[in-house]
Amino acid sequence: NAGVTQTPKFQVLKTGQSMTLQCAQDMNHNSMYWYRQDPGMGLRLIYYSASEGTTDKGEVPNGYNVSRLNKREFSLRLESAAPSQTSVYFCASSSSYEQYFGPGTRLTVT
Amino acid sequence: GQSLEQPSEVTAVEGAIVQINCTYQTSGFYGLSWYQQHDGGAPTFLSYNALDGLEETGRFSSFLSRSDSYGYLLLQELQMKDSASYFCAVTSSRTALIFGKGTTLSVSS
Repeated sequence: NAGVTQTPKFQVLKTGQSMTLQCAQDMNHNSMYWYRQDPGMGLRLIYYSASEGTTDKGEVPNGYNVSRLNKREFSLRLESAAPSQTSVYFCASSSSYEQYFGPGTRLTVT
Repeated sequence: GQSLEQPSEVTAVEGAIVQINCTYQTSGFYGLSWYQQHDGGAPTFLSYNALDGLEETGRFSSFLSRSDSYGYLLLQELQMKDSASYFCAVTSSRTALIFGKGTTLSVSS
C-alpha cells in the first residue's frame, strides 16, 4: 500500500505559468482533499471531493481548479500562477474522521 | 468567523508531561482531531474526540469539552522524537476539517 502519493515533490514556476498537481490514493477512500500550508498558518482547505464526481470549495479556492478524475485520483490545477501561491500543497484522503496525507508538493512561484 | 486557538510554542524535557490546549469557535462541530507533523512532512493522525471526555492512546491522551469549546492533547513520558508540530482540527461539516495554526513542541534532554 503506497497510501497517498503526490507528484511532483518540488516545482518552480514563473508568474503566469500553469501546472497541475497530481494526487492518488490506493485505500479506496471516498473523500479527497487539497490543502495548502504556509509558515505560521496551519493547513487551509482549498477544495475537497466527498465522492467521485463531486467537488466543493474550501476556505481558499481562488486561483485553483480541481478534477476528481476517478475514485483514486484528485488533481489541483493552477491556471495562472502567482507568487502568493508559493506554498506547500498537501493532498489527503479519508473514509471517516481520520485523514491520510501525502508527502506534499513544495511549489515556488517567482 | 471560524477560528481555532492553540499556543504557538511549548518546550519540555525528556520524561516530562506536556499539555497542548485548543479552543475553537466554528459554525459546525462534529469532532476535534489532533495531528502531528515532523519537519514539514506529511501530517499524521493522532486522535479524535466526538464526545466529551478523555481518549487514551498509549502515551498520548486527548480531551474534549463541547460545552466549553475546548480540548487538549496530553503527551506523557516525553521523548526526543516527540519534537514536532501538533495541530488541532475541527470537523465542521460532514467531511471538511478546519486546522489550528499549530503548536511547535521542543523536547530537550
